[in-house]
Amino acid sequence: EADIYQTPRYLVIGTGKKITLECSQTMGHDKMYWYQQDPGMELHLIHYSYGVNSTEKGDLSSESTVSRIRTEHFPLTLESARPSHTSQYLCASSEAGGRETQYFGPGTRLLVL
Amino acid sequence: QKEVEQNSGPLSVPEGAIASLNCTYSDRGSQSFFWYRQYSGKSPELIMSIYSNGDKEDGRFTAQLNKASQYVSLLIRDSQPSDSATYLCAVNKDGATNKLIFGTGTLLAVQP
Repeated sequence: EADIYQTPRYLVIGTGKKITLECSQTMGHDKMYWYQQDPGMELHLIHYSYGVNSTEKGDLSSESTVSRIRTEHFPLTLESARPSHTSQYLCASSEAGGRETQYFGPGTRLLVL
Repeated sequence: QKEVEQNSGPLSVPEGAIASLNCTYSDRGSQSFFWYRQYSGKSPELIMSIYSNGDKEDGRFTAQLNKASQYVSLLIRDSQPSDSATYLCAVNKDGATNKLIFGTGTLLAVQP
């Protein structure tokens, strides 16, 4: 079954720690995205990728970084977590066309103490 | 002014009624429009997409698009308590990147 996965689903971590949020999809989609969503607020695009070795910053400035070494894998890394990074992080993917639907993973809820 | 505007609600409707959710957008060049449903604590799931002016129906859901008025709506017929969720309007204004701009969402509460 084609799907999009995110791990961990929940993460509580102390300030200053390095964290990596994993996102994988089995649909063979070229485009992948990371969004940040605070409670009751809209989704903000923080990173996206057209394909392997392609990454771009999104509309919302973020201290996180991403990589795309394999089509199916799009991890997001925070080198030094801070309480301001506390949020929900959503990964999505879509086919290569210009009108393609984005499909979302289950999300990772991050709490930085 | 936000690029995609929605009334935050809550919109309260009785079970069996029609729920009408509205969305306006600012970029006249926008080409693709999506409605997502998001239950509390969950990720968005696609309800409908629409690309051309007019109505598009899928089961109990009808999306309506009016590009001249820069307006897109979602009608939910025979509303059920399980429809209670936040409905997100998303607009793709850049076909090259397929980037979506999301509204803040409308909270729908269907009263049994």
